[in-house]
Amino acid sequence: QSVLTQTPSVSAAPGQKVTISCSGSSSNIGDNSVAWYQQLPGTAPKLLIYDDNKRPSGIPDRFSGSKSDTSATLGITGLQTGDEADYYCGTWDSSLSAGVFGGGTKLTVL
Amino acid sequence: EVQLLASGGGLVQPGGSMRLSCTASGLSFSDYAMTWVRQAPGRGLEWVSGISHSGDNTYYADSAKGRFTVSRDNSKNALYLQMINLRAEDAAVYYCAKTAMTTNRRGKVFYYGMDVWGQGSTITVSS
Repeated sequence: QSVLTQTPSVSAAPGQKVTISCSGSSSNIGDNSVAWYQQLPGTAPKLLIYDDNKRPSGIPDRFSGSKSDTSATLGITGLQTGDEADYYCGTWDSSLSAGVFGGGTKLTVL
Repeated sequence: EVQLLASGGGLVQPGGSMRLSCTASGLSFSDYAMTWVRQAPGRGLEWVSGISHSGDNTYYADSAKGRFTVSRDNSKNALYLQMINLRAEDAAVYYCAKTAMTTNRRGKVFYYGMDVWGQGSTITVSS
């Protein structure tokens, strides 16, 4: 059971938009920045979004992040087949004094 | 280019010990916090342990407390995870990651994310 809650799977057609949600509590998302990671099959995770809504260099603006209270959302527009991956949210939990992840959301581009 | 290379994985018997290493290049290693994250086969990411840039502050998941010890040698650009009393549920790919994280004088952590990941090192726990 993960500290952060994500929908296990989402799907959409190429070119469409999808949102992936991440729900937490006042001790984690409500108290710290959220990061989002993309994990393609068989590879290490890759940082997509940091500090709630900032994109590292090289990440296209099709990817966006937002946060409200104890929930965060990853948005992906102009879906491509190469976006098929597992997506994880992560943050710090001030009560646990530890990092936490969501259980991951598998994105299928139909 | 920043690179992290994890090593030291392999097969270990239940109750055994193992030490993972992560060697960094292309960055001022002593400026950055580091994290160990693991992923069991077919499962999601699990945060395991973190360490501040100086090594003065260490953090552990409940699953790691008392059995795992994180450390670093900034003179060698190296991060370590010493694991003892390994269990079947510790079998996973272990990733090291460069972490944007600071701590204020009150000990509050400001966390921004893990921006560079190593390729992973696999630990198998089996008799």
